[in-house]
Amino acid sequence: RKEVEQDPGPFNVPEGATVAFNCTYSNSASQSFFWYRQDCRKEPKLLMSVYSSGNEDGRFTAQLNRASQYISLLIRDSKLSDSATYLCVVTPRGGSYIPTFGRGTSLIVHP
Amino acid sequence: EAQVTQNPRYLITVTGKKLTVTCSQNMNHEYMSWYRQDPGLGLRQIYYSMNVEVTDKGDVPEGYKVSRKEKRNFPLILESPSPNQTSLYFCASTSDRGYEQYFGPGTRLTVT
Repeated sequence: RKEVEQDPGPFNVPEGATVAFNCTYSNSASQSFFWYRQDCRKEPKLLMSVYSSGNEDGRFTAQLNRASQYISLLIRDSKLSDSATYLCVVTPRGGSYIPTFGRGTSLIVHP
Repeated sequence: EAQVTQNPRYLITVTGKKLTVTCSQNMNHEYMSWYRQDPGLGLRQIYYSMNVEVTDKGDVPEGYKVSRKEKRNFPLILESPSPNQTSLYFCASTSDRGYEQYFGPGTRLTVT
């Protein structure tokens, strides 16, 4: 089983739609969780950290469910500019730091 | 402006010709790493460094070397590049407090 799994998509949604991505992880000792956004052929950029209490930044909401070992990203009122690949990143607790990346979920927002 | 820089951005080379990709960060981070990204495989860590003179292998270190003589620089060295090292490479610098990663713009390497 892969350590971090994401549905690759693509998720094809109209402008204004609400879309949600999930990411599951296998290491129960994982400590830190992030969502990154990556545009085609560009570097990944941090979108949000994911906290146990959940967090919201404008149209984006991230949730963590430690019991079920998944994190989610909700995008409301999708914009054309939200089209990108969204990467889930999980890092271990303590010791050497090696983050594990999911392979990404592709989102296409169309007019 | 906080940033990670990489050079060159694009490189086409031939099998066996040694090359170095430079990476530099201005955020005084201790932790830096190198990744390669290939279609269908996602981002895979090649090497990482916890601090000056401290480096360790990631998931796919074969065929690569790194050094960390200064905190801000973390070059990636391919002593004898092969075609299977054709890839998109990213350097990243990690915040010491929250583990957020900041990526360089990427180096697209083609080995013929």
